[in-house]
Amino acid sequence: DTEVTQTPKHLVMGMTNKKSLKCEQHMGHRAMYWYKQKAKKPPELMFVYSYEKLSINESVPSRFSPECPNSSLLNLHLHALQPEDSALYLCASSHGGSNYNEQFFGPGTRLTVL
Amino acid sequence: DQQVKQNSPSLSVQEGRISILNCDYTNSMFDYFLWYKKYPAEGPTFLISISSIKDKNEDGRFTVFLNKSAKHLSLHIVPSQPGDSAVYFCAASSSGTYKYIFGTGTRLKVLA
Repeated sequence: DTEVTQTPKHLVMGMTNKKSLKCEQHMGHRAMYWYKQKAKKPPELMFVYSYEKLSINESVPSRFSPECPNSSLLNLHLHALQPEDSALYLCASSHGGSNYNEQFFGPGTRLTVL
Repeated sequence: DQQVKQNSPSLSVQEGRISILNCDYTNSMFDYFLWYKKYPAEGPTFLISISSIKDKNEDGRFTVFLNKSAKHLSLHIVPSQPGDSAVYFCAASSSGTYKYIFGTGTRLKVLA
């Protein structure tokens, strides 16, 4: 299984809502990532979990809250988002054990904040 | 400050010819480079990678060349096929980190 799955595929939420994005992989990878991608821009790293511990937070606003319940799952909790947070949110995973690792990406969640 | 740049936002190539996509980087600590292909509404798909101990890596129709002194890498696709039409991103990383920096992307169109 070389797949990273993400749910939901699309999400529309208001600025006062609380929602969560979910990501799952069963490749035994020990590093998991959240990226944000705006139209016509490259993916921008938000968070990295390594061996279920948060290792990188790229100064992301606290209205985004990541969680790694186990080595296969990664969540992104959303609260009080702004319209400018509308984007494609991508999850990725990699082996994590060596220095040179390719990342495998999920299909993304298209988020619209009204 | 964009540490990884792809200066050509778009490229059109005839089917069967060579596609050459370029990428420049500024951070000399980068020692691992990757190319990804992305279709609309999908996540990036890994294509090929190269570490700084090599200057060339091949996988089928895809070859990546690395020129460390020029801080430049390129992806060659031979022969190009219409299914190769997508946005291509290069990415760079430093060993010991999990931080990957993506370039701005090049939209490749292969004309039948």
